[in-house]
Amino acid sequence: EVVLTQSPGTLSLSPGERATLSCRASQSISGSYLAWYQQKVGQAPRLLIYGTSTRATGIPDRFSGSGSGTDFTLTISRLEPEDFAVYYCQNHIYPLTTFGQGTRLEI
Amino acid sequence: QILLQQSGPGLLKPSQTLSVTCAISGDSVSSNIAAWNWIRQSPSRGLEWLGRTFYRSKWRYDYAISVQSRISINADTSQNQFSLQLNSVTSEDTAIYYCARDVSATLFEWGQGALVIVSS
Repeated sequence: EVVLTQSPGTLSLSPGERATLSCRASQSISGSYLAWYQQKVGQAPRLLIYGTSTRATGIPDRFSGSGSGTDFTLTISRLEPEDFAVYYCQNHIYPLTTFGQGTRLEI
Repeated sequence: QILLQQSGPGLLKPSQTLSVTCAISGDSVSSNIAAWNWIRQSPSRGLEWLGRTFYRSKWRYDYAISVQSRISINADTSQNQFSLQLNSVTSEDTAIYYCARDVSATLFEWGQGALVIVSS
């Protein structure tokens, strides 16, 4: 089973700054099955990025994803107040799906 | 627009069976491109994928190793919904339970979540 390790655990930034979130896999994985989700308090996770770099419908272009092999990154180019939330990476290697432990992005 | 609406009990006693249902609108549980997942979230375990069902000429099931001896996911085509059953619950099963739709293993849509508390 692939283990996804996200860093940092908490990231403290201000609106307008750039955020870089990391997701490291315990073994090389296919980028086709690497996704990122955003979760706000009291809400279900929401898909942001899939296939490493494809933005989901309605996701602003300040969100971007990159990476390959074992190292993947979610970048938020200019933080807006509504971006402060918890972010999870997710992978699927048949038949199992795994999540990282999350990065909390706080003001 | 695809919507998932969950229902289920909020409080269970240890050893009971957890049962949660997810009603689908905007897609079919028998879709040949989507799969129907259950995921839970707790402070101690984070987001934990539990399993999924999907139809590809026949019904197929994938379950997480951690719960595979206790879990059952079933589809109800007449009601266009799917359900989770988890047997012999303990306090470790206290969590928010989410249903979600995946296409090619990406979880595009999620239900609103259902808090389940296991306590004597």
